[in-house]
Amino acid sequence: GAGVSQSPSNKVTEKGKDVELRCDPISGHTALYWYRQRLGQGLEFLIYFQGNSAPDKSGLPSDRFSAERTGESVSTLTIQRTQQEDSAVYLCASSLGLANTGELFFGEGSRLTVL
Amino acid sequence: AQSVAQPEDQVNVAEGNPLTVKCTYSVSGNPYLFWYVQYPNRGLQFLLKYITGDNLVKGSYGFEAEFNKSQTSFHLKKPSALVSDSALYFCAVRDGGSQGNLIFGKGTKLSVKP
Repeated sequence: GAGVSQSPSNKVTEKGKDVELRCDPISGHTALYWYRQRLGQGLEFLIYFQGNSAPDKSGLPSDRFSAERTGESVSTLTIQRTQQEDSAVYLCASSLGLANTGELFFGEGSRLTVL
Repeated sequence: AQSVAQPEDQVNVAEGNPLTVKCTYSVSGNPYLFWYVQYPNRGLQFLLKYITGDNLVKGSYGFEAEFNKSQTSFHLKKPSALVSDSALYFCAVRDGGSQGNLIFGKGTKLSVKP
């Protein structure tokens, strides 16, 4: 596609439920990143993929968070047993991964609200 | 470990005046430096980057940034601010010696008043 696409754009859920957030990167981009942005705060790195593997999972805040990527394309970020502190905008970005000089292209984010 | 500092939470500028948004960084290898802008309720947009070469880099919307190795800084500048420049600005760094992720600063809110 023309840009990075994320869905849903907005998600309201109840505490304790599981949620899945989806990211469709720019076609041909091998690197894919997930960041979290809490209200009024900066970007918190969660995880990145090079192809389908995740060399760096250091940012995942707890074992309730997991992510996968298939076919060097779509990625899903899953949050199990959501808590109120998970409320944030989850941003996905992609880049031409092998060229680490390249900039990241961001989607518009998925806003998660946990009641 | 790499890190980025944006010492100002907010910068206020009058329209037509020059603006500077500060950024300092720390990496073990050569720094790859980036500036992004975020308008309300939107994703981040790339402005400019420094990889190598000329210390002064020019980017979108008339913005430029100067890489200063001795001061480990990469301040964002614009000679004449516009009201439409009001947004959240993020500096980011990657260690050039690795394939690692891009680390962002906490952001600086720029407010340009008419």
